[in-house]
Amino acid sequence: SQTIHQWPATLVQPVGSPLSLECTVEGTSNPNLYWYRQAAGRGLQLLFYSVGIGQISSEVPQNLSASRPQDRQFILSSKKLLLSDSGFYLCAWQQGKLRNIQYFGAGTRLSVL
Amino acid sequence: DAKTTQPPSMDCAEGRAANLPCNHSTISGNEYVYWYRQIHSQGPQYIIHGLKNNETNEMASLIITEDKKSSTLILPHATLRDTAVYYCIVRVDDKIIFGKGTRLHILP
Repeated sequence: SQTIHQWPATLVQPVGSPLSLECTVEGTSNPNLYWYRQAAGRGLQLLFYSVGIGQISSEVPQNLSASRPQDRQFILSSKKLLLSDSGFYLCAWQQGKLRNIQYFGAGTRLSVL
Repeated sequence: DAKTTQPPSMDCAEGRAANLPCNHSTISGNEYVYWYRQIHSQGPQYIIHGLKNNETNEMASLIITEDKKSSTLILPHATLRDTAVYYCIVRVDDKIIFGKGTRLHILP
């Protein structure tokens, strides 16, 4: 069966520090991968998605970047965190390219202080 | 642009059927309607999806109107564990665009 792992579950970082969140998927190959953010009390915002190794699409201009160094690994990064980067970050995967179900990880709650 | 419209919140008594409406008046004939839910502090969970016919699975039923402009998610016997935000989504290419959803409160 397929599983998705996100870590860490919670993270507290000072403003200006770097960020690296990792997401890995097991039990499947060539999935679509997604990063979402949810600010407190708000809906989910799609940040990045990837249809293959090294292929990243950015949905909104921001202080973050994403990379996909391996087929089942998706990394969200920042060189210098801002207060506004605080939120609940979710990784998701999807098998198949169109109209398929997305499966979400447990999320990382990031607090930038 | 989420392409769907949902009421911001709804209440339902425990044990009763919860009927969550969604309007998607601009949907095209080959676009699917998906429903997800998000329990507090967890990732969203897929519930059901459909193209034009009604669908049922172990979690819920999905009723899509004949003109496809609206749909209803039915939780047949709501429990307290069904308290969550429910998202109705029309797929756009490889992406899911989440709207604000409906916050469903199950009342004991």
